[in-house]
Amino acid sequence: DAKTTQPPSMDCAEGRAANLPCNHSTISGNEYVYWYRQIHSQGPQYIIHGLKNNETNEMASLIITEDRKSSTLILPHATLRDTAVYYCIVRVDNAGNMLTFGGGTRLMVKP
Amino acid sequence: DAGITQSPRHKVTETGTPVTLRCHQTENHRYMYWYRQDPGHGLRLIHYSYGVKDTDKGEVSDGYSVSRSKTEDFLLTLESATSSQTSVYFCAISESPTAGNTIYFGEGSWLTVV
Repeated sequence: DAKTTQPPSMDCAEGRAANLPCNHSTISGNEYVYWYRQIHSQGPQYIIHGLKNNETNEMASLIITEDRKSSTLILPHATLRDTAVYYCIVRVDNAGNMLTFGGGTRLMVKP
Repeated sequence: DAGITQSPRHKVTETGTPVTLRCHQTENHRYMYWYRQDPGHGLRLIHYSYGVKDTDKGEVSDGYSVSRSKTEDFLLTLESATSSQTSVYFCAISESPTAGNTIYFGEGSWLTVV
């Protein structure tokens, strides 16, 4: 699976948009970009995923560059409850699929 | 949230004793997974199942066994617990292994081996 690079930490003001970048320059054509987050002492929570097109759901938006080498997760109106570690993962389409979680970005939403 | 229940949520056990963790799902998903999470190592796959009685090893399977006698239940057993198995264990489920299908996680089981 392709390796991902994320900044180790970011701050965001409450009510503002949080933009979390992810670099996956070695991604191949059949690999999806997934985002999860983990709030302290809880299980990883699925946020969103995409292959080529930008995606939006009730939690967030995912913007994937045209060359697919990077992506940005956008939390449109961050709240204190969005403070968590955010993981960007790329997944290849094969049997017995595994998820490899790297270090992630620790997002701190401040009042 | 996906219907995944892990039990027990917290357990302290002694070295050398057997321990079984249970994962129960209400989503009728075919694939179930056991991960462990440790500081500095992220999430690592222990074992996974692709159907009733069908299981396979992940990257850190030594010292663990699994069983799946029903679609909804996936058991992780530590035959003889060691201190290195102190960790938080997460169960996960998905409809299929294809990358377009989301993997959902349970809330975790904290195991301490003393």
